[in-house]
Amino acid sequence: NAGVTQTPKFRVLKTGQSMTLLCAQDMNHEYMYWYRQDPGMGLRLIHYSVGEGTTAKGEVPDGYNVSRLKKQNFLLGLESAAPSQTSVYFCASSYPRGSTYEQYFGPGTRLTVT
Amino acid sequence: DQQVKQNSPSLSVQEGRISILNCDYTNSMFDYFLWYKKYPAEGPTFLISISSIKDKNEDGRFTVFLNKSAKHLSLHIVPSQPGDSAVYFCAASARTNAGKSTFGDGTTLTVKP
Repeated sequence: NAGVTQTPKFRVLKTGQSMTLLCAQDMNHEYMYWYRQDPGMGLRLIHYSVGEGTTAKGEVPDGYNVSRLKKQNFLLGLESAAPSQTSVYFCASSYPRGSTYEQYFGPGTRLTVT
Repeated sequence: DQQVKQNSPSLSVQEGRISILNCDYTNSMFDYFLWYKKYPAEGPTFLISISSIKDKNEDGRFTVFLNKSAKHLSLHIVPSQPGDSAVYFCAASARTNAGKSTFGDGTTLTVKP
């Protein structure tokens, strides 16, 4: 049981390049989330999904797109990377269990845009 | 406007003593609160949570207290151990909001041997 995995772990992009970050979970969770964490700050929600085929915007969605074609995968795309998108990206998943919404996080992807 | 605030960026305590981490929130719709622990180069891991219908929840050395009238919660770690040194994030969610959590900026706890 791997939990939540993220690919790649590190990436350096030039301004204007595109890339896709992959998140996979093997816990059969319905909900999945993408966050970014900047130095000295908490996690800010980019996009999230409440089920296969559905996505919604979070707090900071501009410059990112997502897709959830399969329940276990949640992809985050950067179409034209900007230096302001330099950050650590975390994927998480959860399932509603009574009143709990604890999230299970992946190890993160450190992205640098030059 | 930040809805979840952790006003202390850092806290240093001696091994064996109590660590108290604080968190304030502004949104009355929040009805579930969580604490996550994060080590460097790892993702956050869930630590403990509390529902708004309770004022205390205990799990081993970790206790979370909730004061709804003051919109304040705190995490107590007793006794503190060097392995507890990490960044602690407070998070709040509303049952009606797809399980989304709003996170504070975190408090870095250092436990000195």
